[in-house]
Amino acid sequence: GNSVTQMEGPVTLSEEAFLTINCTYTATGYPSLFWYVQYPGEGLQLLLKATKADDKGSNKGFEATYRKETTSFHLEKGSVQVSDSAVYFCALSSSNFGNEKLTFGTGTRLTIIP
Amino acid sequence: DTEVTQTPKHLVMGMTNKKSLKCEQHMGHRAMYWYKQKAKKPPELMFVYSYEKLSINESVPSRFSPECPNSSLLNLHLHALQPEDSALYLCASSHPTTGWREQYFGPGTRLTVL
Repeated sequence: GNSVTQMEGPVTLSEEAFLTINCTYTATGYPSLFWYVQYPGEGLQLLLKATKADDKGSNKGFEATYRKETTSFHLEKGSVQVSDSAVYFCALSSSNFGNEKLTFGTGTRLTIIP
Repeated sequence: DTEVTQTPKHLVMGMTNKKSLKCEQHMGHRAMYWYKQKAKKPPELMFVYSYEKLSINESVPSRFSPECPNSSLLNLHLHALQPEDSALYLCASSHPTTGWREQYFGPGTRLTVL
């Protein structure tokens, strides 16, 4: 079955530091990969996505590259801000036709200190 | 517009009450989902509706009863809940043009069962 292994948290960084959150996956077929972000007290927001090998998803300064050879989709940002403090979930989906299931990682809590 | 709305934002109910959660989207999405999220955990899938028909029920107790009256609306009827059902309930939707895989989440309803 599908699974997502995500970097253990919590992660605490200083403002303007470089961020990497590791994510690796196991899946059948040709999965799509996602990063979702959840700010305190809110729902999940789709941060970025990649649908095939070597695709790079990017949004709000965050990037992640779909690496089929290493089954990875690591999230990176060059200079984090206090406003990036949130929980980040790596997820994959490999089904179609409305019977869709997202498989989530356990989430990584990120705290940015000024 | 990638907005999914949920009402109410907060709900407190006793174990003998009957209440309903509501979810709405106007993006033309034809799959809608209910998730349950406990603190510090990823969301867990409960139900999937595809073209207004229930396609997945993840062995959810019968005290949770979903309903999809039309393509824009999704309800979750609650009856005789237990305190352990207290959680954040998230609605999501997706569209066939993205292969169903890209799910957009609402802000959630925070439910407390006394």
